[in-house]
Amino acid sequence: QQQVKQSPQSLIVQKGGIPIINCAYENTAFDYFPWYQQFPGKGPALLIAIRPDVSEKKEGRFTISFNKSAKQFSLHIMDSQPGDSATYFCAASRGGSNYKLTFGKGTLLTVNP
Amino acid sequence: NAGVMQNPRHLVRRRGQEARLRCSPMKGHSHVYWYRQLPEEGLKFMVYLQKENIIDESGMPKERFSAEFPKEGPSILRIQQVVRGDSAAYFCASSPTGGGDYGYTFGSGTRLTVV
Repeated sequence: QQQVKQSPQSLIVQKGGIPIINCAYENTAFDYFPWYQQFPGKGPALLIAIRPDVSEKKEGRFTISFNKSAKQFSLHIMDSQPGDSATYFCAASRGGSNYKLTFGKGTLLTVNP
Repeated sequence: NAGVMQNPRHLVRRRGQEARLRCSPMKGHSHVYWYRQLPEEGLKFMVYLQKENIIDESGMPKERFSAEFPKEGPSILRIQQVVRGDSAAYFCASSPTGGGDYGYTFGSGTRLTVV
C-alpha cells in the first residue's frame, strides 16, 4: 500500500530548465509535506516543506505547489543547475505523529550542462 | 558541529550472522529515528527512540530486529540472523524535539549487504 505516489521515476533536463516532480497522497490526515534531496552515498537532506494552509511556498530556486482538493503537491526547480542532479523524495506526515514520514519512491534528476 | 554519525558506512554479513548498526545523533538532539531504504524504494520508517525509551516501533519487523538508545552511547539497530532481504541502506536521523516537521537531520547511512 503506497500512500505517497511520486512521478516521474527519472527526469533529464538541460541547464536552466525547470524540472517538475509530482506527488499524490491518499491519507487526508496528512498535514506536513516536505521534500528531501539526496546525493549518492549521502543521507536525505530537507529541502523545503509546506503545510496545507498555503498553496505555494518558495525558497530560493525551489517552489512547492500544493493542491489540497486534488491531494497533490509538486516541486519546481527554477533555473536548474548540474549541481541539482540528485534524487528527490517527497514525503508526508500527519499531526500527532509528525515524526513518522511516509516517503515517495524518489525521482532521479539529471541536469545536463 | 558534527552531524549525525553512522557507522559502519558499509557492512557485509553472511546469512545467519548478526548486524549491529550504530548512530550518534547531533549534539543536543535527544530524538532518534531509523529508516530503511530498499533498492529503488523510498525510505520506510522503522522506529523512533528517545533516551532509554522506544516511542514507536510500528515499522520494525516483528522478528530479528531490535533497537535501543541507551542513556550513554549511540543508538543501536540490531538485526539477528540476517537474510538476503535485509540488504538495504539503513538511515538514522535525529531531531531536537519529537516532530519531523522541525526537519530531521539524516546521517549518511549504513549499507548492509547480506551474502
